[in-house]
Amino acid sequence: DADVTQTPRNRITKTGKRIMLECSQTKGHDRMYWYRQDPGLGLRLIYYSFDVKDINKGEISDGYSVSRQAQAKFSLSLESAIPNQTALYFCAVANPGGKANTGELFFGEGSRLTVL
Amino acid sequence: AQKITQTQPGMFVQEKEAVTLDCTYDTSDQSYGLFWYKQPSSGEMIFLIYQGSYDEQNATEGRYSLNFQKARKSANLVISASQLGDSAMYFCAMILYQRGGNKLVFGAGTILRVKS
Repeated sequence: DADVTQTPRNRITKTGKRIMLECSQTKGHDRMYWYRQDPGLGLRLIYYSFDVKDINKGEISDGYSVSRQAQAKFSLSLESAIPNQTALYFCAVANPGGKANTGELFFGEGSRLTVL
Repeated sequence: AQKITQTQPGMFVQEKEAVTLDCTYDTSDQSYGLFWYKQPSSGEMIFLIYQGSYDEQNATEGRYSLNFQKARKSANLVISASQLGDSAMYFCAMILYQRGGNKLVFGAGTILRVKS
């Protein structure tokens, strides 16, 4: 089983619909992230969370919200989806970094969202 | 500003030859790390190699090596003996180890195509 699991893997929806992307992890790391990937732009950070009570905006948080339901679960919501939110979305988890750890991101398999 | 630049949108290499993917970074922080990730057509993000800013030796992982030139702020990925399975998108990323939370920045990526 994957250490970081995203559902759904693929979703097609219509403008104005509410969409939730879910992420769960078994790595036991506190830090969780949501990124979106667009061609030519790399990965851009939407939101991140360092523990259950900690939520932080990334560089492109407008139009998105998140919920950290538990240490292992971090969900991303699009309250009213629009076509320019069509992208590949990644959840990632990381250790904090330090002498024994690099802070490396462990990614889920991605959720491909198409908004018509 | 912290930034990763990958100047090669696309690269071709002949099977069994070596190829270098360029990555330059910009930061005034002293403590940071550099990652390379591979993204095959299936979409998942695969960690390849890591270099810490204080590491004196260039990192190596099998056929992957990271040519770290700190003064030039470059962290090029070298793939030796290219294989058809190396065809993928490659992302360079930088992690900044900052009090209050690490910050990760990704480049736009380089698409590598290996020719038989």
